[in-house]
Amino acid sequence: GAVVSQHPSRVICKSGTSVKIECRSLDFQATTMFWYRQFPKQSLMLMATSNEGSKATYEQGVEKDKFLINHASLTLSTLTVTSAHPEDSSFYICSARQGASPPLHFGNGTRLTVT
Amino acid sequence: GQNIDQPTEMTATEGAIVQINCTYQTSGFNGLFWYQQHAGEAPTFLSYNVLDGLEEKGRFSSFLSRSKGYSYLLLKELQMKDSASYLCAVMYGGATNKLIFGTGTLLAVQP
Repeated sequence: GAVVSQHPSRVICKSGTSVKIECRSLDFQATTMFWYRQFPKQSLMLMATSNEGSKATYEQGVEKDKFLINHASLTLSTLTVTSAHPEDSSFYICSARQGASPPLHFGNGTRLTVT
Repeated sequence: GQNIDQPTEMTATEGAIVQINCTYQTSGFNGLFWYQQHAGEAPTFLSYNVLDGLEEKGRFSSFLSRSKGYSYLLLKELQMKDSASYLCAVMYGGATNKLIFGTGTLLAVQP
């Protein structure tokens, strides 16, 4: 089955630093990947749609200069949280779709803690 | 705007049947999904409905009524391991096919 790998699984960083999260589709090509954020006891909130070879599309209220998304190849998308602050601490999850067919396959998520 | 509603919490007894409802209002519709999520883990796919009716998969069934903007997930023969959050999600957006999640329902299965 389709597998999405996300790295790192956990990261702790100091306030003001930047953190990069990688999302890879291991056995399929994903022209589109999605980045979600989930706060404790809340549902997944879509942050942006990552398109291979073009700019990401951000959801309303998500700062594109703070959450930099790069989709350099058909198997890799990265999310960089720039100048992280404690309020950015959250569970970040990526997902990818194989072709145009559902369902979305999710990575295992990254637990970001900003101190 | 997009709106997907589910009950926040539900409690059921081991061996019983539970129905988790979901109502939605979205600009466009390309299918409805149910995911299961245990605390601290990524969601896992349970079911997908794009046409009206009932889809059955083992102990889990999902129903969709597009005209009513309504779906439910039915879990039979509940087991303790079924205690988790159940997320209703709607796919919309033409070629982009974004997946938007509801608030999630935290199900507690009691002995």
